[in-house]
Amino acid sequence: GQSLEQPSEVTAVEGAIVQINCTYQTSGFYGLSWYQQHDGGAPTFLSYNALDGLEETGRFSSFLSRSDSYGYLLLQELQMKDSASYFCAVRGSTLGRLYFGRGTQLTVWP
Amino acid sequence: DSGVTQTPKHLITATGQRVTLRCSPRSGDLSVYWYQQSLDQGLQFLIQYYNGEERAKGNILERFSAQQFPDLHSELNLSSLELGDSALYFCASNQRGGGNEQFFGPGTRLTVL
Repeated sequence: GQSLEQPSEVTAVEGAIVQINCTYQTSGFYGLSWYQQHDGGAPTFLSYNALDGLEETGRFSSFLSRSDSYGYLLLQELQMKDSASYFCAVRGSTLGRLYFGRGTQLTVWP
Repeated sequence: DSGVTQTPKHLITATGQRVTLRCSPRSGDLSVYWYQQSLDQGLQFLIQYYNGEERAKGNILERFSAQQFPDLHSELNLSSLELGDSALYFCASNQRGGGNEQFFGPGTRLTVL
């Protein structure tokens, strides 16, 4: 089966840096993705890692270590609008289905 | 706006009833995915269609069924509804069905009373 573990909640202040970790167990691995979801809204794609290392997209970066079955999302220069839930997701096969973690609720305080 | 549309936005119905949720993928996208999001279960994959054919199935109940039509829109049918079926139902799409980036619609919030 597939399982993904991520913290349920993280809090930080504006301007700070926060890291959201994700560990996974899957029978196949075709990439780790991160999605952001504001309360009641649609999940939106943030980033994707297929190979080990760091991918940077503006204030957001994502890291993957396949040997450790571990990844993280790094959010820098936090803003109030970053308050949302963040989900890691694994694609376990060549098919498109994603397995999602339960999400990390990030609260950014002024 | 992802380009994926879902109707209706909200649906309130009674136990035992049947409902149909509709999804139109982004222009050019061949693959459609359905997810259920409830408070205690997170985002659960239900089913995937690619160019009209079922491609992958998740933990979809037998009371639920889906199809993708020739114009690529998809419908999710939920029958014999139970209180526990109350959830947000999302549709997502992408072009080829194998990528990691999926574009999600705004969701349909189903409340079963």
